[in-house]
Amino acid sequence: TQTVSQSDAHVTVFEGDSVELRCNYSYGGSIYLSWYIQHHGHGLQFLLKYYSGNPVVQGVNGFEAEFSKSDSSFHLRKASVHWSDSAVYFCAVRESGGSNAKLTFGKGTKLSVKS
Amino acid sequence: DPKIIQKPKYLVAVTGSEKILICEQYLGHNAMYWYRQSAKKPLEFMFSYSYQKLMDNQTASSRFQPQSSKKNHLDLQITALKPDDSATYFCASSRRDSNYAEQFFGPGTRLTVL
Repeated sequence: TQTVSQSDAHVTVFEGDSVELRCNYSYGGSIYLSWYIQHHGHGLQFLLKYYSGNPVVQGVNGFEAEFSKSDSSFHLRKASVHWSDSAVYFCAVRESGGSNAKLTFGKGTKLSVKS
Repeated sequence: DPKIIQKPKYLVAVTGSEKILICEQYLGHNAMYWYRQSAKKPLEFMFSYSYQKLMDNQTASSRFQPQSSKKNHLDLQITALKPDDSATYFCASSRRDSNYAEQFFGPGTRLTVL
């Protein structure tokens, strides 16, 4: 079974703290990995993606993610969070090749940033 | 200006009725999608279209029918509505050369079936 797992349903940090949101996947072939953010009452916004090359990818607003094949992980990090980073973060996988464009999402991690 | 328009923002329907959810994108993308998000299930892929042709259908029920009248439109017709259909439905789009992994989402239509 191919899965995307986000083990933390809710993470709370203080403004200025660093944060890591975890994503693990179980897929047999080549995949694209991405992260999306959803602010309350809005649609999802793309943050970053990885397919190959440098395992650390930079995204918008200071976010980065690191791919690890050995750990089957693609964790999202930010060095210093702002209150506006409070949102739900989704990890997503797309199988490469062919015309299948389906994104499979994890259940999401709600990040709460306290001031 | 919004790049992906979904109408209406909120929709209330009675069981057994039929509704159409509208989606228009002004990003020049050739691929469009529908996803569903509810309290019971995580964000769930439903359909993908490319150049107005169905690429993938993960929806078991034939009650859900996408309709593409123009290349930047992908509406979703839902017939014989059930309370379990209550969810927020998101339309999304992407370019082929982004390998579909970078998708842009609309604000969603929140459907409540009574």
